[in-house]
Amino acid sequence: DVKVTQSSRYLVKRTGEKVFLECVQDMDHENMFWYRQDPGLGLRLIYFSYDVKMKEKGDIPEGYSVSREKKERFSLILESASTNQTSMYLCASSRPDRGASPLHFGNGTRLTVT
Amino acid sequence: DQQVKQNSPSLSVQEGRISILNCDYTNSMFDYFLWYKKYPAEGPTFLISISSIKDKNEDGRFTVFLNKSAKHLSLHIVPSQPGDSAVYFCAGEREKTSYDKVIFGPGTSLSVIP
Repeated sequence: DVKVTQSSRYLVKRTGEKVFLECVQDMDHENMFWYRQDPGLGLRLIYFSYDVKMKEKGDIPEGYSVSREKKERFSLILESASTNQTSMYLCASSRPDRGASPLHFGNGTRLTVT
Repeated sequence: DQQVKQNSPSLSVQEGRISILNCDYTNSMFDYFLWYKKYPAEGPTFLISISSIKDKNEDGRFTVFLNKSAKHLSLHIVPSQPGDSAVYFCAGEREKTSYDKVIFGPGTSLSVIP
């Protein structure tokens, strides 16, 4: 069974702080993703990576960066946290397959920026 | 521009009856549609998918119907159980060379009343 682990369930940070969200998956998946979930907006893609050291911008990359130095680990970085980045952050992984490629999600990190 | 829409934010159904969750989309390029289920404090989990060339896919109590001409799909749960109470996300997936681009709807919160 695929396991995607996010290092923190809850985080409270101050405006301007640099924030690191860590994600590890144990199923050797090539693709990894960072989403944020906000009420009424669903899940919006921030960044994704389809290989080590590769990264691609999603739909809302502004204010974020990512790092993928190892296949199993994908980090989301908020360079200077702002209050509008208060959200639920979800990491996911998938294996590219012929056909639908379901995402496997972690349990999320609820980030509050004050 | 929301490419995937779920116009009902919430739905209540009696236990044992049918739950019907609806989803509309605007992007004709989706290759697959997927439904995810999310409990509070957990990440979304994949439920069922359908190829854009099919009109029905069934898995146990869950059936997804696709009406391509109307750009509409629906998830039927029969019979509904209290454990089905969760937020359901509809998603469209488009295959690309090295990754699949996924767009999520805003979600519908289903409550199954015992």
